[in-house]
Amino acid sequence: ETGVTQSPTHLIKTRGQQVTLRCSSQSGHNTVSWYQQALGQGPQFIFQYYREEENGRGNFPPRFSGLQFPNYSSELNVNALELDDSALYLCASTDWGEGDTQYFGPGTRLTVL
Amino acid sequence: GEDVEQSLFLSVREGDSSVINCTYTDSSSTYLYWYKQEPGAGLQLLTYIFSNMDMKQDQRLTVLLNKKDKHLSLRIADTQTGDSAIYFCAGIAPDGNKLVFGAGTILRVKS
Repeated sequence: ETGVTQSPTHLIKTRGQQVTLRCSSQSGHNTVSWYQQALGQGPQFIFQYYREEENGRGNFPPRFSGLQFPNYSSELNVNALELDDSALYLCASTDWGEGDTQYFGPGTRLTVL
Repeated sequence: GEDVEQSLFLSVREGDSSVINCTYTDSSSTYLYWYKQEPGAGLQLLTYIFSNMDMKQDQRLTVLLNKKDKHLSLRIADTQTGDSAIYFCAGIAPDGNKLVFGAGTILRVKS
């Protein structure tokens, strides 16, 4: 069902550092979305990329940025990490032909100390 | 904007039916979704329903949509211990780019 992969699985950083998380979307899916899931909560939308351009952004500060590449891979970059950035980060690729369904990867668990 | 609410916890016995409920505020969602999340894992799509449908059945899963009351439910027949997980309902925002999730319902299945 899902061919979405993410790396790394886990990551530990300290406050103030920068981090890059990676996602590989399902082949043919030209839209990728990133979500942040804090412990005990539902995922919150960070932003979406469509054909390498940002296509919507949630309520996250500019230190959260992204890139999408032609080979269906994408990155989430977070600068100046804060303790509250500790969360599970999920990427999802969209199948516009089937219920506009977003298929999620396994996530990256980021811990900020 | 869209707001989605779910009950936090449901406990059932193995073999019983489970019904997980969800209410949403924005009736313009084209589709509504149910996802399952097991501990330490990502989200697995279970099913979705188009907003002009009242019901959708997919094997053990039945989705009911009451548009008037903005109420969505997921019924799992013959619940198994492997169904123990967190279940999220989600709507798609009108601009089609973001999913808005509820806080999730923890389903515990007792053997």
